[in-house]
Amino acid sequence: DTAVSQTPKYLVTQMGNDKSIKCEQNLGHDTMYWYKQDSKKFLKIMFSYNNKELIINETVPNRFSPKSPDKAHLNLHINSLELGDSAVYFCASSQQLGTDTQYFGPGTRLTVL
Amino acid sequence: AQKITQTQPGMFVQEKEAVTLDCTYDTSDPSYGLFWYKQPSSGEMIFLIYQGSYDQQNATEGRYSLNFQKARKSANLVISASQLGDSAMYFCAMRDSNSNSGYALNFGKGTSLLVTP
Repeated sequence: DTAVSQTPKYLVTQMGNDKSIKCEQNLGHDTMYWYKQDSKKFLKIMFSYNNKELIINETVPNRFSPKSPDKAHLNLHINSLELGDSAVYFCASSQQLGTDTQYFGPGTRLTVL
Repeated sequence: AQKITQTQPGMFVQEKEAVTLDCTYDTSDPSYGLFWYKQPSSGEMIFLIYQGSYDQQNATEGRYSLNFQKARKSANLVISASQLGDSAMYFCAMRDSNSNSGYALNFGKGTSLLVTP
């Protein structure tokens, strides 16, 4: 009965490849997020998604694109992977946008070789 | 812009003792939310406690309490009766009040807590 789940937990790939990370929440929340945690453990927002509205952090390269097939899922697609994309990616969700606690998934450690 | 500062990169505490993890913030918004998350070595982010800027009382959740001093813009986490399992990275975060950010969380750099026997 995991609240926010992500797959895979680990992802190792070559530079230039395209990969996806899946996220699902079974909390019935309306809003989902993607965060990136770098090698120094600093966490930064990448995307917020609420009711089909996507809010993008302007610093995120357009190689990154979230896709939401339904309210319970927000997948992260990454094209033309670069070495600097190596990080831990966290999905999170909250009941509503702007007012509630965000609950995080277990994270996906992406390593680009 | 909002900013969260955690000045303690690392802390030690003996088992069963209490420990305070510092967090200061900077915002010009009258309404904001403050959060603490725990990240053990296994990597997941665990929500611990929340304090709203208009809350009259300091938040408490079991052994966790938040020492909220609004005038000083500080939101320190107090862990009472430390346990070995409390060893982890602790992050203070503030919810961005700007809708353009999607009300994302802005995180501090974290404090690594080690509980010793």
